[in-house]
Amino acid sequence: AQSVTQPDIHITVSEGASLELRCNYSYGATPYLFWYVQSPGQGLQLLLKYFSGDTLVQGIKGFEAEFKRSQSSFNLRKPSVHWSDAAEYFCAVGTSGTYKYIFGTGTRLKVLA
Amino acid sequence: EAGVVQSPRYKIIEKKQPVAFWCNPISGHNTLYWYLQNLGQGPELLIRYENEEAVDDSQLPKDRFSAERLKGVDSTLKIQPAELGDSAVYLCASSGGARETQYFGPGTRLLVL
Repeated sequence: AQSVTQPDIHITVSEGASLELRCNYSYGATPYLFWYVQSPGQGLQLLLKYFSGDTLVQGIKGFEAEFKRSQSSFNLRKPSVHWSDAAEYFCAVGTSGTYKYIFGTGTRLKVLA
Repeated sequence: EAGVVQSPRYKIIEKKQPVAFWCNPISGHNTLYWYLQNLGQGPELLIRYENEEAVDDSQLPKDRFSAERLKGVDSTLKIQPAELGDSAVYLCASSGGARETQYFGPGTRLLVL
């Protein structure tokens, strides 16, 4: 069965520091991969997605993610975090057969001033 | 372009009462999804519509949950009767097709007392 693991429940970084959020997936075929961000009381906003092609994907708000098939990973990165990046981040895998999105449990990011 | 619209944003009800949530997808999006998001968890798919047809409702608890999308645009999700464990956020999403990126609404936060 498909699954997504986000190993870090909480991450705290200082403003201006770099960030990496981990995501590992389990899926037999080539997955569609997504990162969404959710601010308190808000819905999910798409940061970036990977369908095929270049394994380094650029997204909005200065985020990027790299698909590594050998590691079944799709980690999200940002070189310099801003206080407004504090939110919850969800990784999701989309399955080509059933078109379902399977979400991870999320990583809550706290940014210190 | 307007995003996915959901109402109400918040709802507090007594257990055993009925409740309904409404979703208006992005214009032109044929695929509509209802997700359940429990506290501290990622969203989980309840039902997916292609136009007015429910093509995946395997995760919908049909004893108390029902959904409809009569004209292939707006959708309503109903719970009757509500239980304490139904307290959660109910998210609606839409996409241009099953293979396309899903865009989420702000959600309805339900509290059952």
